[in-house]
Amino acid sequence: AQSVTQLDSQVPVFEEAPVELRCNYSSSVSVYLFWYVQYPNQGLQLLLKYLSGSTLVKGINGFEAEFNKSQTSFHLRKPSVHISDTAEYFCAVCLIQGAQKLVFGQGTRLTINP
Amino acid sequence: GAVVSQHPSWVICKSGTSVKIECRSLDFQATTMFWYRQFPKQSLMLMATSNEGSKATYEQGVEKDKFLINHASLTLSTLTVTSAHPEDSSFYICSAIAGGSTGELFFGEGSRLTVL
Repeated sequence: AQSVTQLDSQVPVFEEAPVELRCNYSSSVSVYLFWYVQYPNQGLQLLLKYLSGSTLVKGINGFEAEFNKSQTSFHLRKPSVHISDTAEYFCAVCLIQGAQKLVFGQGTRLTINP
Repeated sequence: GAVVSQHPSWVICKSGTSVKIECRSLDFQATTMFWYRQFPKQSLMLMATSNEGSKATYEQGVEKDKFLINHASLTLSTLTVTSAHPEDSSFYICSAIAGGSTGELFFGEGSRLTVL
């Protein structure tokens, strides 16, 4: 079975500072990897995804993530955050041979302070 | 991108009543939809996979008779919480696949259920 671990439940950052949200996964087979953002009382919005190819994936809102197979990680980064980036961020995986059943990490609450 | 809409966004009901939540794909057809449950400040837990024209596939530990799922058409799936209890209070989120079985997954806005 697959599992996802987001190592930080909360990450406070000052505005315009860089940020990294960590995600590690466990799976015996190949998976697809995703990062989603959730604003309060809303559904999830896809930030970016890794399916294959280049290990550095660029997404919306200036976010990017790097797939590291040897470390089974898919950390999310942004070089300069904005107040509007305050939200909950979820890392997720699904089997390549599957019906897109996502397994989510516990989530990381990103708080941007002025 | 594709749009998935949930209704209602908020619902408050008395214990013992049943509540129906709708999930619609507005601009695409979805043969498969997923229902998730999210407790406060926690992650999303997959409850079931909703398949158009067939029975839903429930995850282990999810009560089929408690959470009735009906995928009546290619654009509509409903989740009915039967005989609701306060512990059923949660944020329910649906998602749908656009563009065939390997297409992108889109999420609804979520429905917050509060059972008094």
